[in-house]
Amino acid sequence: QQPVQSPQAVILREGEDAVINCSSSKALYSVHWYRQKHGEAPVFLMILLKGGEQKGHDKISASFNEKKQQSSLYLTASQLSYSGTYFCGTQRGGGADGLTFGKGTHLIIQP
Amino acid sequence: ETGVTQSPTHLIKTRGQQVTLRCSSQSGHNTVSWYQQALGQGPQFIFQYYREEENGRGNFPPRFSGLQFPNYSSELNVNALELDDSALYLCASSSDRPYGYTFGSGTRLTVV
Repeated sequence: QQPVQSPQAVILREGEDAVINCSSSKALYSVHWYRQKHGEAPVFLMILLKGGEQKGHDKISASFNEKKQQSSLYLTASQLSYSGTYFCGTQRGGGADGLTFGKGTHLIIQP
Repeated sequence: ETGVTQSPTHLIKTRGQQVTLRCSSQSGHNTVSWYQQALGQGPQFIFQYYREEENGRGNFPPRFSGLQFPNYSSELNVNALELDDSALYLCASSSDRPYGYTFGSGTRLTVV
């Protein structure tokens, strides 16, 4: 079942913060976050595992609420390079499950 | 690291034809997955290979098939192409879980 991402799109000024949410109706083993720029490959940002800790590096971090089966991606003090489409990908099992991606959140950072 | 490379980058085929797409995994990665991405949508999982065996499959018909070779490179074959098969096909590789996937830039397939 496809996870639901919100918002669908967001426009920010450089330096502002953003939160992107990803919700699943099923119990999850892991949540992945990727950023894709137009015409380019999706780039891995981070993975959150069931029972794991909040992850983060630099000004991008994420959390996973197992009770709600919801993950959030936090972008702090956004930079122009953060523009793109953000996808969450979920896995229900730890075996051979592929990722089930949401429809994406379009993020535009303006100077 | 050489990353994931895919070929060709663009391809135009006629309905009913067959197509083979190729992928070279990132060095050290033993798992390769294929995804189909329609315009404006998230990628959809086609199947996954681990050490040359298919070990996971999404909701795609049998005319979508694949191979993984001993050097961990991979092929995606699609038979009897349909207009709806027009999409970006992405290859992704990873090492043993749980790690993120490294995606290639994709092959843009157009079926006319």
